[in-house]
Amino acid sequence: DAKTTQPPSMDCAEGRAANLPCNHSTISGNEYVYWYRQIHSQGPQYIIHGLKNNETNEMASLIITEDRKSSTLILPHATLRDTAVYYCIVRVAPRYNFNKFYFGSGTKLNVKP
Amino acid sequence: GAGVSQSPSNKVTEKGKDVELRCDPISGHTALYWYRQSLGQGLEFLIYFQGNSAPDKSGLPSDRFSAERTGGSVSTLTIQRTQQEDSAVYLCASTQPGGPHEQFFGPGTRLTVL
Repeated sequence: DAKTTQPPSMDCAEGRAANLPCNHSTISGNEYVYWYRQIHSQGPQYIIHGLKNNETNEMASLIITEDRKSSTLILPHATLRDTAVYYCIVRVAPRYNFNKFYFGSGTKLNVKP
Repeated sequence: GAGVSQSPSNKVTEKGKDVELRCDPISGHTALYWYRQSLGQGLEFLIYFQGNSAPDKSGLPSDRFSAERTGGSVSTLTIQRTQQEDSAVYLCASTQPGGPHEQFFGPGTRLTVL
């Protein structure tokens, strides 16, 4: 799986958009980009995933550059409850319903009032 | 149930003792995963079940670690002769059939080996 690089921490003001970057310059054509987050003392929570196109759901938007070497997770209106560690994961297309994720250190997002 | 549950939530044991950690996945979820998270670290994959079989045990750190799953549902992770370096949060996740992208995680079991 391709390696990802994320800043260790970021701050965001409550109500503003949080833009979390991820670099995956060695990504290959069949690898998906996934985002999970982990709120303190809880298990990780799925946010969104994509292959080539930008994706949006009720939680966030995922913007993948045309060359797929980087992506940005956007939380449009961050709240205090969005304070968490955000993991960017690159993973080959799952086979037989199996997907083994490698969670790195992630980005600690601090949403401040 | 509504989500993945794990028990106990906390376990303190003495070095050398055996421990069993339990995971109840979401009903109907065929795939089940165990991960380990040491303090301040990311998650480390341990083992994966598809039904009751474990096609991938590559992450188990030693032969002191074993896991089983019965009835395609509950799974137990057993650590024999625990060591202090086994102290970590053990997380379980499950996925629905045909849905490998989203893993649903339990709250974890915090294991402390004294």
